[in-house]
Amino acid sequence: EVQLVESGGGLVQPGGSLRLSCVASGFTFSSYWMSWVRQAPGKGLEWVANIKQDGSEKYYVDSVKGRFTISRDNAKNSLYLQMNSLRVEDTAVYYCASSDHSGYDWNYWGQGTLVTVSS
Amino acid sequence: DIQMTQSPSTLSASVGDRVTITCRASQSISSWLAWYQQKPGKAPKLLIYKTSSLESGVPSRFSGSGSGTEFTLTITSLQPDDFATYYCQHYDSYPLTFGGGTKVEIK
Repeated sequence: EVQLVESGGGLVQPGGSLRLSCVASGFTFSSYWMSWVRQAPGKGLEWVANIKQDGSEKYYVDSVKGRFTISRDNAKNSLYLQMNSLRVEDTAVYYCASSDHSGYDWNYWGQGTLVTVSS
Repeated sequence: DIQMTQSPSTLSASVGDRVTITCRASQSISSWLAWYQQKPGKAPKLLIYKTSSLESGVPSRFSGSGSGTEFTLTITSLQPDDFATYYCQHYDSYPLTFGGGTKVEIK
């Protein structure tokens, strides 16, 4: 059974940093593109970042470029999102996700971890 | 960036109704479109990928169609478990973007 388990969320002040983790099991992690998708409270879904199987390609939504860094450790079956210079508008549930299909249509999702940016 | 516009934003329907949700892209996305269902407090669930391919385990009452810039998700006979919010998402190019969502409510 495929499982994605996120952790690392919490309350942080504006300008602060947080590192999210996602541990994968039940599939060959190193063979999959991985993604972060977020959802602000009461709002819709927003793709945040993607990383290629070997980490050689990374893509970000404009609003997080230069502040967030996606990375992975295939030996640990783990995906990360380093979030710096956090803003109030980054408050959201952050999901890690992966796909059996194209890599961008996600059929596997974690349960999400809540990041709250507030003073 | 490609903008995805869903309509309606809210839909009131009864069990057994046929429901259609529309998603329009601001430019052609070929067939690179997915549909998700989300219930409160839960992660999204993939229903349809590549416009019309049914995800494994998803009931056949769900179907998708379209191409280019206009797409539809159809539920042929709405069931109690289908009351949820539905999102379309394109994956033609970066940035990947979602529609604003359609909340299907009980009439």
